[in-house]
Amino acid sequence: NAGVTQTPKFQVLKTGQSMTLQCAQDMNHEYMSWYRQDPGMGLRLIHYSVGAGITDQGEVPNGYNVSRSTTEDFPLRLLSAAPSQTSVYFCASRPYGGGNTEAFFGQGTRLTVV
Amino acid sequence: AQSVTQPDIHITVSEGASLELRCNYSYGATPYLFWYVQSPGQGLQLLLKYFSGDTLVQGIKGFEAEFKRSQSSFNLRKPSVHWSDAAEYFCAVGAHNAGNMLTFGGGTRLMVKP
Repeated sequence: NAGVTQTPKFQVLKTGQSMTLQCAQDMNHEYMSWYRQDPGMGLRLIHYSVGAGITDQGEVPNGYNVSRSTTEDFPLRLLSAAPSQTSVYFCASRPYGGGNTEAFFGQGTRLTVV
Repeated sequence: AQSVTQPDIHITVSEGASLELRCNYSYGATPYLFWYVQSPGQGLQLLLKYFSGDTLVQGIKGFEAEFKRSQSSFNLRKPSVHWSDAAEYFCAVGAHNAGNMLTFGGGTRLMVKP
């Protein structure tokens, strides 16, 4: 049982480059989300989705795009990478329900922008 | 909007000693509260959660947490710490809205002395 799979695990980008972080889950969860983790700031929500075709912005959405064409996949796109986007990125999924359902996290993608 | 504060950025305890990690939240209604643990280079794993009912909740790995509405707190405790407990711990609150996304505190890094 794979759970939430993120690729790649590590990535180095040059300023201005674009890339897509992949996230896939095999638990048929309706809710998916992307967080970034920075020292001392915990995890901050970038974008989230409550189902296929539905996305919304979180706390820090600038510079990122998402789409949700299938239940399983929720890619995060960096449009023009900046050094401020150097971070560890986590994708999470959780089943439909109230705010009391458990979120399952991927292993993270460590991104460095030089 | 909800928020979570973890006042202690770093805590060091001796192996076998008791542990308490503090968490304070701000939320307008009865919150859904979670504690997650992150081992180095890993994703987040759920330790325990509180939704309603008994204010003392038991989790995995011998952890427990107590919800105190009057203090807006949800502190994590363990009676005897093991070296393998060294990790970063995150408190989170889940919203009641359609997105039901989690808001995390800044995290507490626990170090365990032999």
